[in-house]
Amino acid sequence: ILNVEQSPQSLHVQEGDSTNFTCSFPSSNFYALHWYRWETAKSPEALFVMTLNGDEKKKGRISATLNTKEGYSYLYIKGSQPEDSATYLCAPSHSSASKIIFGSGTRLSIRP
Amino acid sequence: DTGVSQDPRHKITKRGQNVTFRCDPISEHNRLYWYRQTLGQGPEFLTYFQNEAQLEKSRLLSDRFSAERPKGSFSTLEIQRTEQGDSAMYLCASSFAGSETQYFGPGTRLLVL
Repeated sequence: ILNVEQSPQSLHVQEGDSTNFTCSFPSSNFYALHWYRWETAKSPEALFVMTLNGDEKKKGRISATLNTKEGYSYLYIKGSQPEDSATYLCAPSHSSASKIIFGSGTRLSIRP
Repeated sequence: DTGVSQDPRHKITKRGQNVTFRCDPISEHNRLYWYRQTLGQGPEFLTYFQNEAQLEKSRLLSDRFSAERPKGSFSTLEIQRTEQGDSAMYLCASSFAGSETQYFGPGTRLLVL
């Protein structure tokens, strides 16, 4: 069973500031790491899937890095905007098509 | 295609009643997953289908829960004799074999009184 920890649990950031949060997971039997963004009243939206140690992915102002040897991933948001307010979930998986184990998320609020 | 859809979006029921939820995945996605999310937690895996075969089932899924995907397209999740602890958001996701990304529906929020 994967024990996934995300920190911080919640974060309040001023609009325009950059921010980052952490996901840690057991490094054994690792297959892939997923990041999702979940806005209130909407479906969780896939941001990134990363599989290789040292992977870096970018989507607009959001980027993520992966360290599979030590079992962590960082998500960065540059120049936060109000529309970035959401819960950000990370989820590692053991193998292709297996269940993904979600952390409890980081709830991000952007202050205008 | 409009993505994964779930019906109903909200359900209020009395303890002891049976409820059934439906999930329509993205067309041609052969994998379908059910998750449950409670307040302050991330989604928890319940079960997963590849086509019509149920390949994995969580220990969280008690005997009161059953899921089907009879024709390998839509799926139903039934909860019998509901309990207050079943109150949660039930999420469905689908994916295509060979792709790691799971696409989620909007969920069904269940409240058991």
